[in-house]
Amino acid sequence: AQRVTQPEKLLSVFKGAPVELKCNYSYSGSPELFWYVQYSRQRLQLLLRHISRESIKGFTADLNKGETSFHLKKPFAQEEDSAMYYCALSYGGATNKLIFGTGTLLAVQP
Amino acid sequence: GAVVSQHPSRVICKSGTSVKIECRSLDFQATTMFWYRQFPKKSLMLMATSNEGSKATYEQGVEKDKFLINHASLTLSTLTVTSAHPEDSSFYICSARAAGATSRGEQFFGPGTRLTVL
Repeated sequence: AQRVTQPEKLLSVFKGAPVELKCNYSYSGSPELFWYVQYSRQRLQLLLRHISRESIKGFTADLNKGETSFHLKKPFAQEEDSAMYYCALSYGGATNKLIFGTGTLLAVQP
Repeated sequence: GAVVSQHPSRVICKSGTSVKIECRSLDFQATTMFWYRQFPKKSLMLMATSNEGSKATYEQGVEKDKFLINHASLTLSTLTVTSAHPEDSSFYICSARAAGATSRGEQFFGPGTRLTVL
């Protein structure tokens, strides 16, 4: 069965420090992975998707099929990056359902 | 951008009553809408997938007679919690997938509805 694992519930870093939010997945099919972010008192929103190979707000994530990982990285954290980050896997064929990890709260200290 | 609204944002009801939550895509057509439930400090749990004009598909363990879903148009899906009990108290979130979307998993999320059953 498909599964998304985010091992860290909380990640606290200082402003300017590098950030890596870990995500591992388990899926027998061809994976499509996403990072969603939820800022305080806001709704969940898409941050980036692996197929786009894009950098959004300085964040990047590379799909590593060998390690079944999709870690989110940013070289220099900003205070405004503080939020809840969810890794998600699309599955279900045409239904395109998402399964979410348990989320990691990123706290960037000044 | 694509906006999804939910109404109400917060509802308190007595045990045994039914509550309806609406999910609307405001500026796009959504062939598929999803309903999630989020427990405190937990992840989102998919409850059901709703396709316009057809019956919803429920995830394992979700009672379809308790959580009635209707997707009558391309911009509206409703979730009705029937005969609500305190254990149904939770944060319910809907999302919508835009018609013609190229990315398989991109969904636009509503702000959520906080249900409290007394």
